[in-house]
Amino acid sequence: DQQVKQNSPSLSVQEGRISILNCDYTNSMFDYFLWYKKYPAEGPTFLISISSIKDKNEDGRFTVFLNKSAKHLSLHIVPSQPGDSAVYFCAASESTGNQFYFGTGTSLTVIP
Amino acid sequence: DAGVIQSPRHEVTEMGQEVTLRCKPISGHNSLFWYRQTMMRGLELLIYFNNNVPIDDSGMPEDRFSAKMPNASFSTLKIQPSEPRDSAVYFCASRDYYNEQFFGPGTRLTVL
Repeated sequence: DQQVKQNSPSLSVQEGRISILNCDYTNSMFDYFLWYKKYPAEGPTFLISISSIKDKNEDGRFTVFLNKSAKHLSLHIVPSQPGDSAVYFCAASESTGNQFYFGTGTSLTVIP
Repeated sequence: DAGVIQSPRHEVTEMGQEVTLRCKPISGHNSLFWYRQTMMRGLELLIYFNNNVPIDDSGMPEDRFSAKMPNASFSTLKIQPSEPRDSAVYFCASRDYYNEQFFGPGTRLTVL
């Protein structure tokens, strides 16, 4: 059973607007969360992470929010740019473990 | 560093043939992961190694799949015999204990 879920397979946003990608998880033991970005014909690359001791982490245009009570995290991209068009994977792990559990991905298209 | 190296990048084979995918992790990383990307399950972990030892192979779909890591700088994923439903993109990733996973570019496998 999928422990990390991304229920939106795709998202389209106008350039300059905000992109919000969502992710839900089921395992309450997860305490480390990541977002990866994947372009076609390339491997996923790390984008941003957050530990469960925080509820927000920001890196430039990218911000990840964590709601532990709802077991939900989201990635905000502001402002969105055409180069952000990619598949975004959410991942989670236990800090004491080595395995990352990935979602199914959300394909973001930023329209110029 | 050249990053995680995978070969071949593309593999086309006929049903019943043996397929071997290869991976060279980043030097100094002590964990190696094999994933398969599918539309239904996203990035699906097949097996991972710590210090060359297989830790969790519960994601290996069938006995037709096997993986080895004879030393810290090389791993193989073998499918024998291959079937059309094995067609997917296979990723290798490595990490040290403190950081995120770094992915290779993937091998696109097509089984006819």
